[in-house]
Amino acid sequence: AQKITQTQPGMFVQEKEAVTLDCTYDTSDQSYGLFWYKQPSSGEMIFLIYQGSYDEQNATEGRYSLNFQKARKSANLVISASQLGDSAMYFCAMREWTGNQFYFGTGTSLTVIP
Amino acid sequence: NAGVMQNPRHLVRRRGQEARLRCSPMKGHSHVYWYRQLPEEGLKFMVYLQKENIIDESGMPKERFSAEFPKEGPSILRIQQVVRGDSAAYFCASSPISTGNTIYFGEGSWLTVV
Repeated sequence: AQKITQTQPGMFVQEKEAVTLDCTYDTSDQSYGLFWYKQPSSGEMIFLIYQGSYDEQNATEGRYSLNFQKARKSANLVISASQLGDSAMYFCAMREWTGNQFYFGTGTSLTVIP
Repeated sequence: NAGVMQNPRHLVRRRGQEARLRCSPMKGHSHVYWYRQLPEEGLKFMVYLQKENIIDESGMPKERFSAEFPKEGPSILRIQQVVRGDSAAYFCASSPISTGNTIYFGEGSWLTVV
């Protein structure tokens, strides 16, 4: 089974609007971390936001917030007030603290329309 | 504070040649991960190393691929007798401790096998 599922291959959003990128995960571990990374066309992987499985509050980092719904095993990324520079691939990832790997989804390509 | 440094950024090899990819982790980081990203796909874990130790190589192909992280110098991912299917982006990431909240990626090395 896929550890991380991103069901939206591509998304479009109008500049200054908010957008939600979906991510569901699969684990039987109680302790894990959820991450979002941004990969612009230049190729580098940029860390955006982290949510621990025991964190009671949703993580926020500037315009990024993580909508963490533990019972549904979802960790959606919300980008508020989209900017043209937000156009990129976005990857959801998970790390189970019992293991060494970060598991990545297949990514969502976000295009911000002026 | 320099980030994770990878070189070369781009590498072209003929089938049958060897490819060596280097990764210098962030200062103070002693844990290195290698990931491979095939075109249109997410990142796949390859190997996790600490200085002079391979901790987890469950994602490494059994043949032609090897990795090391010596006491001094960068981590090296070595691919012998490259084939066209090895063409991919290879990302290195580092973290300060094994249970770090995140890993920080380098800019990637793009290998093209012709």
